[in-house]
Amino acid sequence: QSALTQPRSMSGSPGQSVTISCTGSSGDVGGYNYVSWYQHHPGKAPKLMIYDVTKRPSGVPDRFSGSKSDNTASLTISGLQAEDEADYYCCSSAGRFTYVFGSGTKVTVL
Amino acid sequence: QVQLVESGGGVIQPGGSLRLSCAASGFTFSSYGMHWVRQAPGEGLEWVAFIRYNEKNKYYADSVKGRFTISRDNSKNMLYLQMNSLRAEDTAVYYCATDSQVTETLDYWGQGTLVTVSS
Repeated sequence: QSALTQPRSMSGSPGQSVTISCTGSSGDVGGYNYVSWYQHHPGKAPKLMIYDVTKRPSGVPDRFSGSKSDNTASLTISGLQAEDEADYYCCSSAGRFTYVFGSGTKVTVL
Repeated sequence: QVQLVESGGGVIQPGGSLRLSCAASGFTFSSYGMHWVRQAPGEGLEWVAFIRYNEKNKYYADSVKGRFTISRDNSKNMLYLQMNSLRAEDTAVYYCATDSQVTETLDYWGQGTLVTVSS
């Protein structure tokens, strides 16, 4: 499977919003409502932020939201905070117990 | 709380073999499917392999099929990845992760172990 396409980097000032796109195909993003987003600080364990396109695990701030249209999913971080600076990866089911990840987006808080 | 600790990484020559381990605690390991995911230097995440809770089904990425074997020991709460015929492009941080019991996602991850394939 080919990696999902994400912008390499995005930035915003504290309080602003950023929206990260994740483009796949009908065989992954477009074919399943099983898109997840992970926050990754280098050297640490990736953290699940969004699953099933729009759902937040317990403890994830509601500043993080997800959506999907056709073959493209999106993660929006509203009210950007300094601690949101990290790498973000999308992930989609690609069929039975197999997954494809995005190329990753580095979010910088200016 | 869920804890996953990977070990076994190191420097290995091309063509060599290495076995990674993942020690699980804080949850009923024998009830969960488990994944291995890797991240090459400067690259994104890549799903590598999955094993069901009872070992009855295993799935692999095309890039490792025939060279890597995922296994587990539920009596020891341990997950393994046997890596054979290693190549330079297998150089990466390897993470183990739990398979969600409620939907299709990987919910808890370890901090990873670095494998470097180099002569």
